[in-house]
Amino acid sequence: DVKVTQSSRYLVKRTGEKVFLECVQDMDHENMFWYRQDPGLGLRLIYFSYDVKMKEKGDIPEGYSVSREKKERFSLILESASTNQTSMYLCASSISPGQGVGGQYFGPGTRLTVT
Amino acid sequence: DQQVKQNSPSLSVQEGRISILNCDYTNSMFDYFLWYKKYPAEGPTFLISISSIKDKNEDGRFTVFLNKSAKHLSLHIVPSQPGDSAVYFCAASSYMEYGNKLVFGAGTILRVKS
Repeated sequence: DVKVTQSSRYLVKRTGEKVFLECVQDMDHENMFWYRQDPGLGLRLIYFSYDVKMKEKGDIPEGYSVSREKKERFSLILESASTNQTSMYLCASSISPGQGVGGQYFGPGTRLTVT
Repeated sequence: DQQVKQNSPSLSVQEGRISILNCDYTNSMFDYFLWYKKYPAEGPTFLISISSIKDKNEDGRFTVFLNKSAKHLSLHIVPSQPGDSAVYFCAASSYMEYGNKLVFGAGTILRVKS
């Protein structure tokens, strides 16, 4: 079974703090993704990575950065947390298109509250 | 501009009856469609998918129908069970999209009453 784990289930941070969210997958997937989920807006893609040290902006990258130093690990960084970044953050991984079409496998999510 | 739309924010169904969740898309390049189910405080889990070369795919109680000309897909759950109560997300992808990116709808909350 594919396993995607996220470092924290719940996190409370103060405005202006630097926040690190970690994600690890154990299926040797090339692609990894960070989303945020907000009521009525669905899942919105923040950043994704298709290879180590490679990253691409998603639909809402402002205020975020990412790091992928190892294939299995993808980190989301909030450089200076703001209250509008309070959200559920979801990490996912998937195979590459060349390996067949398939879905993404999600971690359990991190509920981040910025006060 | 939302490329994948789920126009019903919520749906309430009696246990044992059919649940029908709908999804519309605008991008004709999409050729692969998925449904995910999400419980509160958990990540979405893959439910069922369909390729654009098919118009129906069935897996147990779950069937997805695709109408390419109308750019519409639907998920049928028969019979509905209380454990099906969750948020359902429709997602779409283009096979050639680098990185297997998915575009998600806003989700529909399904409540199955016992």
